[in-house]
Amino acid sequence: NAGVTQTPKFRVLKTGQSMTLLCAQDMNHEYMYWYRQDPGMGLRLIHYSVGEGTTAKGEVPDGYNVSRLNKREFSLRLESAAPSQTSVYFCASSWTTGGPEKLFFGSGTQLSVL
Amino acid sequence: GQNIDQPTEMTATEGAIVQINCTYQTSGFNGLFWYQQHAGEAPTFLSYNVLDGLEEKGRFSSFLSRSKGYSYLLLKELQMKDSASYLCAVLDSNYQLIWGAGTKLIIKP
Repeated sequence: NAGVTQTPKFRVLKTGQSMTLLCAQDMNHEYMYWYRQDPGMGLRLIHYSVGEGTTAKGEVPDGYNVSRLNKREFSLRLESAAPSQTSVYFCASSWTTGGPEKLFFGSGTQLSVL
Repeated sequence: GQNIDQPTEMTATEGAIVQINCTYQTSGFNGLFWYQQHAGEAPTFLSYNVLDGLEEKGRFSSFLSRSKGYSYLLLKELQMKDSASYLCAVLDSNYQLIWGAGTKLIIKP
C-alpha cells in the first residue's frame, strides 16, 4: 500500500525556471493539500482540493498553481521560481477536513531556488 | 491573529519521561492534533483531542484543556527512536489546520 507518493524528492532550480511537483494517493481520499515547511515555522498551506476538479487557496498561494487532475492526483506548479520558494514541500491527503480526520503525508520535496 | 506556541527544543534521557507543551490562540476550536516528524521525513499522526482530558495510547499520552488553550504530549519510557520533532496543530472554526513550529526532542543515552 503506497499511501501518498510525491515526486521528485530533490530539485535545484535557477530563479525564473518552472517546475511541477506531482502527488498521487491510493487511499481514495477526497481532500488533498500542498504545504510548505520552512525552518522555525509551522507547516503552511499553499493550496488544497476538496474533490476532483476543485482547488482552493490556502494561507500562502502566491506564486503557485495547482491542478486536481483526477481523484488520485494533485499537482503543484511553480511558473517562475524565486529564492523565497526554497523550502520543503509536502503533499497530504485525507477523507474529509473535519473532526478526527488525520492527514497522510508524502515523503516531501526539498526544493532549492538559486 | 492565530497562534500556536511550542518550545523550540527539548532534551531528555533515554528511559525517562518528557512533557511537550502547546498553547494556542485560534479563531474557534475543532480539535487538536499531535504529529511526529523524524528528520528528513514526513509528519505522521500521533493523537487527536477534542474533549478536555487525557488520552492514553501506549507510551504516548495527550492532554487537552480547552478553557486554558493548552495541550501537552507526554512520552514515557523514552527510546532513542523518539528523537524527532513533535508538531502541534489546531483545527480552527473554518476547519483549517493551524500548525505550531514544532518541538525538536533530543534523546540522550
